Amino acid sequence: QKEVEQDPGPLSVPEGAIVSLNCTYSNSAFQYFMWYRQYSRKGPELLMYTYSSGNKEDGRFTAQVDKSSKYISLFIRDSQPSDSATYLCAMSRYNTDKLIFGTGTRLQVFP
Amino acid sequence: DVKVTQSSRYLVKRTGEKVFLECVQDMDHENMFWYRQDPGLGLRLIYFSYDVKMKEKGDIPEGYSVSREKKERFSLILESASTNQTSMYLCASSSPTGTSYEQYFGPGTRLTVT
Repeated sequence: QKEVEQDPGPLSVPEGAIVSLNCTYSNSAFQYFMWYRQYSRKGPELLMYTYSSGNKEDGRFTAQVDKSSKYISLFIRDSQPSDSATYLCAMSRYNTDKLIFGTGTRLQVFP
Repeated sequence: DVKVTQSSRYLVKRTGEKVFLECVQDMDHENMFWYRQDPGLGLRLIYFSYDVKMKEKGDIPEGYSVSREKKERFSLILESASTNQTSMYLCASSSPTGTSYEQYFGPGTRLTVT
């Protein structure tokens, strides 16, 4: 079993939709949870991070962590074609630890 | 703006060749990482370095080595390339005064071994 599981998609939604991206994990020692966004032919870039459980909001993006269920989510409100990318979840045990990545979910937002 | 550059975007090599992938960052970061990215497998850590001349094995170091002679440069070496090393290779850097999760990635090198 992989430490981090992520549905690869692809996920195709119309512009303006609410998108939910999810990851599950097995290692209860993970405390730092991140979402990276990767556009085609580019390297990943950090989108959001959350420490421990709870929610974090940044504009149209909300990251949620439920440590009791070992489940994290990224919500995108009012999705735009420019949000079309692969979204990777990543986790670590402490803030200087190596990152463990999910396989990524490819999102396509069509006009 | 942090910039991580990789020497080539696309590379085609033959089986058995020695391959060098170069990565340079301009933000004086101590930490540097090499990953490979494959469909269905995500990003997997090959090697990382927290200082000049220092290296640590990641999760899949077999068939690879690294070199870090200068702080800004981290090289990945495929001693004898094989077809199963065909992949996208990503370099990243981060600062230990920040957090490891804030890694800055280069654009990647797509390596094909024939």
